[in-house]
Amino acid sequence: AQSVTQLGSHVSVSEGALVLLRCNYSSSVPPYLFWYVQYPNQGLQLLLKYTSAATLVKGINGFEAEFKKSETSFHLTKPSAHMSDAAEYFCAVTHAGNNRKLIWGLGTSLAVNP
Amino acid sequence: EAGVTQSPTHLIKTRGQQATLRCSPISGHTSVYWYQQALGLGLQFLLWYDEGEERNRGNFPPRFSGRQFPNYSSELNVNALELEDSALYLCASSLNQPGGYGYTFGSGTRLTVV
Repeated sequence: AQSVTQLGSHVSVSEGALVLLRCNYSSSVPPYLFWYVQYPNQGLQLLLKYTSAATLVKGINGFEAEFKKSETSFHLTKPSAHMSDAAEYFCAVTHAGNNRKLIWGLGTSLAVNP
Repeated sequence: EAGVTQSPTHLIKTRGQQATLRCSPISGHTSVYWYQQALGLGLQFLLWYDEGEERNRGNFPPRFSGRQFPNYSSELNVNALELEDSALYLCASSLNQPGGYGYTFGSGTRLTVV
């Protein structure tokens, strides 16, 4: 079985500061990992994904994430936060089988302070 | 290419009534997923349809039901509406391939039960 844990349901950073959103996964098979962003009253948008290629994945809006198998982590980072980054962020996991169902974390709400 | 479209955008119903929500996937996507996002509860998996069949169901009562049509569009029906059914209902679609493609989400239907 697979699972995802997002540490910190609320994260607050200052504009220009480093953004670090944590995601740890559990998987008995090689995982595929995703980060999605949800702006208020909108659907989810794919930020980036890891599918067993490069362990450092670059996504949209300056975000990136690094797959660390030894730490079972896939943390999301951005060097400098912008006010427009304020949103809900979700981490999800699946695997390369017939099951296409994503397993979701509970989400992390990012606030960016001026 | 059109994205995942959901209708209506907003829906207001009275307790005890029925609600019908609709979703059109991206062209070529055969899988459709429904999620409920109530305030503070994250993404709750409702239903997964693929090739016209229900593949998986979340922990929701039978009054939540749906179907997928031959053109892969989908409908979610909620009978005997309760106040706690008020939520954002998200539809997502994906390709018929295992693992690492991920989902594309619609903007959601905001259901309010009064």
